[in-house]
Amino acid sequence: QSVLTQPPSVSAAPGQKVTISCSGSSSNIGNNYVSWYQQLPGTAPKLLIYDNDKGPSGIPDRFSGSKSGTSATLGITGLQTGDEADYFCGTWDSSLSAVLFGGGTKLTVL
Amino acid sequence: EVQLVESGGGLVQPGRSLRLSCIVSGINFGDYAMSWVRQAPGKGLEWVGFIRGNTYGGTTEYAASVKGRFTISRDDSKSIAYLQMNSLKTEDTAVYYCSYGLGSYLVSWGQGTPVTVSS
Repeated sequence: QSVLTQPPSVSAAPGQKVTISCSGSSSNIGNNYVSWYQQLPGTAPKLLIYDNDKGPSGIPDRFSGSKSGTSATLGITGLQTGDEADYFCGTWDSSLSAVLFGGGTKLTVL
Repeated sequence: EVQLVESGGGLVQPGRSLRLSCIVSGINFGDYAMSWVRQAPGKGLEWVGFIRGNTYGGTTEYAASVKGRFTISRDDSKSIAYLQMNSLKTEDTAVYYCSYGLGSYLVSWGQGTPVTVSS
């Protein structure tokens, strides 16, 4: 059971938009930056979003991040079949002095 | 281009030790924290620990599940990070990734090296 809670799965049709939530507490999301990672099948994770809402160079602006209180959200617009992957949120927990990851959300593009 | 290449994984018996290495190129290695993250078969990501860069004294932090058994170190002259794993348990079976970080996020990851702990 992860400290950061994500839905196990989400799905949407090509071209549509999907959001993935990540819920935590004041010791982690509430007072620290959130990052998001994409893991395509059989590959290593890749940074998608850092510092809540910033995209690294090379990441399409179809991917966006936001944070409010103790929750964060990853948004993906213009869904493509190549977006099918597992998505993980991550943050620092000030009480645990540990990096936390959410349990991961499997995105299916129908 | 940044590259991280892990090595040293394999099959090991419970209670034994293993040392993983992560060779990094394309960045000023000493400036960055180096993290290890693992992923058990079919499971999510689990942070193992990290070692801070020179600016922050090269100190370490570990997950509770590995504290006292695992040690992270670095050789800045060779741009290599290490994960020494002692007293291995079957639940340590996973693919181990190294990554480098800025603040609380992990910028780039290696391809991973599998570790299987089994008798």
